[in-house]
Amino acid sequence: DIQLTQFPSSVSASVGDRVTITCRASQGLHNWLAWFRQKPGKAPELLIYAAFTLQSGVPSRFSGSASETDFTLTINSLQPEDFATYFCQQSHTFPLTFGGGTRVEIK
Amino acid sequence: QVQLQESGPGLVKPSETLSLTCTVSGGSVSSYYWSWIRQPPGKGLEWIGCIHSSGSTNSNPSLKSRVTMAMDTSKNQFFLKLTSVTAADTAIYYCARYDRDISKYILDFWGQGTLLTVAS
Repeated sequence: DIQLTQFPSSVSASVGDRVTITCRASQGLHNWLAWFRQKPGKAPELLIYAAFTLQSGVPSRFSGSASETDFTLTINSLQPEDFATYFCQQSHTFPLTFGGGTRVEIK
Repeated sequence: QVQLQESGPGLVKPSETLSLTCTVSGGSVSSYYWSWIRQPPGKGLEWIGCIHSSGSTNSNPSLKSRVTMAMDTSKNQFFLKLTSVTAADTAIYYCARYDRDISKYILDFWGQGTLLTVAS
């Protein structure tokens, strides 16, 4: 199975801050990596797929980048609804796997 | 807008079989893959498996021997059975559409999730 290691596991930030989350894959993914936001008590919401592509309807403050097996989610100008947990997920190979999650907390 | 709704018993006894249904509205189950994902309370996400309308399935090897998936296109539903459950199977179970278009492989629409507790 492809392992996805996310870091940090948690981050404290304020409204308006920029937050960066990294996901490191155990092997190459050909950029088949997605990012999700999960608010408490809700299902995950797809933010970005294919490493860079913003899902329809997702605000442009979210962006993704990639460098070999390292993938990054950047949230510019953090909004109140962005205090949540973020997961990466790979679709390169079955079984699909997820990172352990990064919790973005209010400072 | 595609919507998914999980339904299930809520509580299952150890060693019994868990059965869940996902009902899809706003779109057809045909021509897509449909997935099951679970999340133990307060923990991360685990992909269980997926099924295509052709009948093709893929399951997580960690659960494969216990997982059965099926689909009823006439009812726009798909199903999960997990046998010999233990407390470790206690989780929120989500169903989701897995769009495997050539330019994207995405879990784009999710149900709200249903909590399944294994306890005697």
